[in-house]
Amino acid sequence: GQQVMQIPQYQHVQEGEDFTTYCNSSTTLSNIQWYKQRPGGHPVFLIQLVKSGEVKKQKRLTFQFGEAKKNSSLHITATQTTDVGTYFCAGVPTQGGSEKLVFGKGTKLTVNP
Amino acid sequence: ETGVTQTPRHLVMGMTNKKSLKCEQHLGHNAMYWYKQSAKKPLELMFVYNFKEQTENNSVPSRFSPECPNSSHLFLHLHTLQPEDSALYLCASSQRTSSYEQYFGPGTRLTVT
Repeated sequence: GQQVMQIPQYQHVQEGEDFTTYCNSSTTLSNIQWYKQRPGGHPVFLIQLVKSGEVKKQKRLTFQFGEAKKNSSLHITATQTTDVGTYFCAGVPTQGGSEKLVFGKGTKLTVNP
Repeated sequence: ETGVTQTPRHLVMGMTNKKSLKCEQHLGHNAMYWYKQSAKKPLELMFVYNFKEQTENNSVPSRFSPECPNSSHLFLHLHTLQPEDSALYLCASSQRTSSYEQYFGPGTRLTVT
């Protein structure tokens, strides 16, 4: 079946260090979405990328969508303790006919103050 | 954020009990979803409803029975559950399926004893 793989599964950083999580799909995606889930909370939508090679920024967060629309990344510059949580990517495969949003397994980020 | 509400927030039930989870969205969306979140499978799509019609059943056991009486309300009826069904059950909604961002409720933490 269509899969969205996310690496790493866990990442522990010191406050102030940078962090990157990667998302890879076995098939082309029509779009990619990113969500953040704080500990004890629920996933919250961060951003959506649609165009090949698209780059979007939200303060210290930079999101990229690959040229082939099969991969994406989220980069956080100078992490803060408020960045703690699990980051999920999710995409809609262009093949298969289903409009189902397929989630990756997430990257759990912990930040040591 | 109160766009998507879920009740109850916590539920403990025996394997022979029958209970229902309720989800309500106040966003005017047309699509609603049930997800199961556990340590093994972080975000597992269960059901999708689009304009009150079920469009996706992700091979969910029949002991889980969804109901969508209108675009604002979604129920998950539970009966004869197993301990491995203990998880966080998340409801989400979106304008439509596929390329639209999803808004999640706070979830129901279910424990099956």
